[in-house]
Amino acid sequence: DTEVTQTPKHLVMGMTNKKSLKCEQHMGHRAMYWYKQKAKKPPELMFVYSYEKLSINESVPSRFSPECPNSSLLNLHLHALQPEDSALYLCASSQGFRDRRLGGYTFGSGTRLTVV
Amino acid sequence: AQTVTQSQPEMSVQEAETVTLSCTYDTSESDYYLFWYKQPPSRQMILVIRQEAYKQQNATENRFSVNFQKAAKSFSLKISDSQLGDAAMYFCAYRGALGGGTASKLTFGTGTRLQVTL
Repeated sequence: DTEVTQTPKHLVMGMTNKKSLKCEQHMGHRAMYWYKQKAKKPPELMFVYSYEKLSINESVPSRFSPECPNSSLLNLHLHALQPEDSALYLCASSQGFRDRRLGGYTFGSGTRLTVV
Repeated sequence: AQTVTQSQPEMSVQEAETVTLSCTYDTSESDYYLFWYKQPPSRQMILVIRQEAYKQQNATENRFSVNFQKAAKSFSLKISDSQLGDAAMYFCAYRGALGGGTASKLTFGTGTRLQVTL
């Protein structure tokens, strides 16, 4: 299995809703990432997990809450979002940071989020 | 901090022709990876090709090849025999090679939109 699977593919939510994005990989990767991508822009890093521990939080607002329940699964919990949070949310995985040499990322196909 | 620059917002190529996308980067590290990712309208980021900085030989993957000039910090992508399916946004990206800290971060350029015409 060489894929990163993200669900749902599309999500529309109101500003008072709570929802979650899910990401799963079975490649034995020990680092997992959330990226946010606005239209016609490159992805922007939000969070990095290494060996199920939060390693990097790029000053993301608390209305985004990541969770890594195990080495294969990464969630992004959403609460009280704003319309400007509408974007494509990409999950990725890679070899863990304790490996001597790091490789590239494998990306999922993303969740297109619309906040109304 | 590392930066990646793609100076061509859009490029166009005729089917079966060759096109080169430019990328320059800035880093103080000696060991790193460089990547080209393709993002079609289906939106998935697909790895096209990767280059390890310590390898002098330019990477090739079928119709895709790179011209890696480490001293000039240049990393261009050449697409030969262009096909309609090559139409996409292409991102150049940088990552440090060693574990930990900022090496985890994949730094992207702003992208080049490639159109393929008949």
